[in-house]
Amino acid sequence: DGGITQSPKYLFRKEGQNVTLSCEQNLNHDAMYWYRQDPGQGLRLIYYSQIVNDFQKGDIAEGYSVSREKKESFPLTVTSAQKNPTAFYLCASITNQGGSGNTEAFFGQGTRLTVV
Amino acid sequence: RKEVEQDPGPFNVPEGATVAFNCTYSNSASQSFFWYRQDCRKEPKLLMSVYSSGNEDGRFTAQLNRASQYISLLIRDSKLSDSATYLCVVNRGFYSGGGADGLTFGKGTHLIIQP
Repeated sequence: DGGITQSPKYLFRKEGQNVTLSCEQNLNHDAMYWYRQDPGQGLRLIYYSQIVNDFQKGDIAEGYSVSREKKESFPLTVTSAQKNPTAFYLCASITNQGGSGNTEAFFGQGTRLTVV
Repeated sequence: RKEVEQDPGPFNVPEGATVAFNCTYSNSASQSFFWYRQDCRKEPKLLMSVYSSGNEDGRFTAQLNRASQYISLLIRDSKLSDSATYLCVVNRGFYSGGGADGLTFGKGTHLIIQP
């Protein structure tokens, strides 16, 4: 079955550590996104990538980094520079980004990151 | 004006009632519109796309008003299982230019169906 997979589901980080969240999709989607959601809040865009080897900062990119070496994979690293990383992280990929075609987004199940 | 704006609620509605909420968007070049449902501590899932002519799926009806730049969601005969947060999502498309592209999410409307 095609889909988008995030791992791990739960992640605990010590202060000062970098951690990497995995996002893999086998939907052949070009565009992939990382969002952060805090309790009772909406989704905020961290980074996005519309094509391999290219990515753009979203609204809250500080303290995060990404790579897009393969179409299927878009890992997110939460660095020690991110002062308040405890949140629910969601990865999404999108179908046709061009013209007026169907652009439904598919989400992974999310990673819940907690700083201990 | 925020790019995508929703009333956060909560909307407390008795079971069986009809409930409607709107979402406004600021970018007139937006191309695609969606309603997503998000349950507590879960990922958002597509509820329905929104088309210019309006569309219906069972108890759910979605409408788009491009002139006034809003979309709406109507839920008839509400069930306890409809309790969730409903996210309005707008897609500006690949070549809209400027700033973060692609999907823009509203903060969501929290719906509570009461027995």
